[in-house]
Amino acid sequence: DAKTTQPPSMDCAEGRAANLPCNHSTISGNEYVYWYRQIHSQGPQYIIHGLKNNETNEMASLIITEDRKSSTLILPHATLRDTAVYYCIVVTQGGSEKLVFGKGTKLTVNP
Amino acid sequence: DVKVTQSSRYLVKRTGEKVFLECVQDMDHENMFWYRQDPGLGLRLIYFSYDVKMKEKGDIPEGYSVSREKKERFSLILESASTNQTSMYLCASKDWGRGAFFGQGTRLTVV
Repeated sequence: DAKTTQPPSMDCAEGRAANLPCNHSTISGNEYVYWYRQIHSQGPQYIIHGLKNNETNEMASLIITEDRKSSTLILPHATLRDTAVYYCIVVTQGGSEKLVFGKGTKLTVNP
Repeated sequence: DVKVTQSSRYLVKRTGEKVFLECVQDMDHENMFWYRQDPGLGLRLIYFSYDVKMKEKGDIPEGYSVSREKKERFSLILESASTNQTSMYLCASKDWGRGAFFGQGTRLTVV
């Protein structure tokens, strides 16, 4: 599986948009980008995933660049409850879907 | 809602004991995973399984084995527990092409 690179930490003001970047420059054609988050002392929670088109759901939006080498997770109106570690991973679909997590980005939403 | 249930939230075992960590999912998912999480090291994949009786090593399989005799149950086995296996253990299940669901974790202490 391709590896991802994320900044170790970010801050965001409550009510503002949080834009979390992820670099996956070695991603291959059959690999999807997945985002998860982990709030302290809980198991990770799935947020969103995509292949090449931008995606939106009730939690967030995912913007994938045209060359697919990077993506951005957008939380449009961050709240204090969005403070968490956010993980970007790539997953090969169609075979055994091995999930390997990196260190993620610690997002702190400040009042 | 998908439910991934880990048999214990907290467990204390003695060095040298054989330890079983059980994970059950109720959504007929093909893929199941075991991770351990330690401060500063993130989520590390121990083993995963994409079908009954099938298993693949993750990044840190040494000292562990797994069993998947039924689709809904994935067991992690520590053949002879050691103090360096004190950790938070997380189980996850996943359907093809969808996000994974995690259990609440088992905090294992080996004394």
